[in-house]
Formats: sequence, structure tokens, C-alpha cells
Amino acid sequence: GAVVSQHPSRVICKSGTSVKIECRSLDFQATTMFWYRQFPKQSLMLMATSNEGSKATYEQGVEKDKFLINHASLTLSTLTVTSAHPEDSSFYICSATSWALGGYTFGSGTRLTVV
Amino acid sequence: AQSVTQLGSHVSVSEGALVLLRCNYSSSVPPYLFWYVQYPNQGLQLLLKYTSAATLVKGINGFEAEFKKSETSFHLTKPSAHMSDAAEYFCAVSDQGNTGKLIFGQGTTLQVKP
Repeated sequence: GAVVSQHPSRVICKSGTSVKIECRSLDFQATTMFWYRQFPKQSLMLMATSNEGSKATYEQGVEKDKFLINHASLTLSTLTVTSAHPEDSSFYICSATSWALGGYTFGSGTRLTVV
Repeated sequence: AQSVTQLGSHVSVSEGALVLLRCNYSSSVPPYLFWYVQYPNQGLQLLLKYTSAATLVKGINGFEAEFKKSETSFHLTKPSAHMSDAAEYFCAVSDQGNTGKLIFGQGTTLQVKP
């Protein structure tokens, strides 16, 4: 089956530093990847949609300069949280899809803690 | 724009009892509907999906859901709850098939009592 690997699973960083989260489709080519943010006991909030080779489309209210998304290849998308602050602490989840896949596959998530 | 509402943020059932998790959707086009399960600190696992074929959809682990257009609902059921079913459940909708934006409901925590 389709597998999406998300790394790291857990990261702690100091306030003001940047953190990069990777999302890889291991056995299929993902034409579209999605990034979600999930606060404790809450739902998944879509942050942005990224298509391979083009700029990401951000949802309203999401700071594109703070959450940099790159989708340079059909198997890799990255989310960089720049100048992280404690309020950026959250669970981030990626999802990948393609026409051939006919569905969505989710990564296992990254728990970001900014101290 | 599409949206999903899950009625009941917390549902508690006894082991062996019927599980019913409610989901209502809003979409301007025929929707694709999904149910996912999430265990603590993990990603999402697909339980089942509706893609405009049969209105009664069977999924994994004994779950099923029925698409009712007249009620704009897609409720999730399981005849007999197991302790291992305790988790967070999310209903989601896409108005662009299997590759468009997936919008999630608020989630329902299922508690299973022994």
C-alpha cells in the first residue's frame, strides 16, 4: 500500500530557531501534498496545499513567511517553521495524494515543541 | 465551500454495544466523504470512503457508513464496540474527488467502557 514517511516524529527547538519537517511518499509519486496543523484535542486544520514544482497555496490566516513549504519533487515536500515561537508548538501532519493513488495517505505526524 | 459537522465531541458506549458517530456535510457539488481514525500521537488511518458509488459503504474493522443525500449525512456505525475502538474519529469531505482539499470535522472521541 501507499506509504508516507514523515520525519522527525518529535522535535524540540528553542524559540527563534527554524525547524524543517519532511514528508516523503515512499512508493508512489505524489502530485499533491497537504499540510495540516492539529492542536490538542482538536481537529486538523488545513494549512496549505502544495503541488510539485509550483508554489504552495496557503489557507486564509496562515502566514506563508512563517510556514515555508517546498515541494521540489514528486516524492518530497518540506514544511519549515521559521523563527519558531512557543505558540507554534503543535502536531503537524502531512498528506499525499495523486490521481493514480485515488485517495489520501497521511504521515504519522510531527510533534513540535518550541521552548 | 465544503464543510463537515460532527455532532457530539464525545461518545461513550459499553463494550459490545452499537457505535454511532454522526456526520453531516455541506457541499455545492457531489461530495467525496471519508471517515478516519486517529490514535494518540499518530497520523490518520482511513476507515472507509464514499465516492458516489454504493450509498452503504463498508470499511475496515467492522465499520460502515451510509450516505444519505436527502439528510446530507454520512454517519458511521459499528454493531459491536471493542475496547480497541477507543480513539478519535474524524469525518472529512472533499469536493474535488480523491485529490482535492480534504476538510475535516471537529472530531469525536469514542470511549468504550468494559
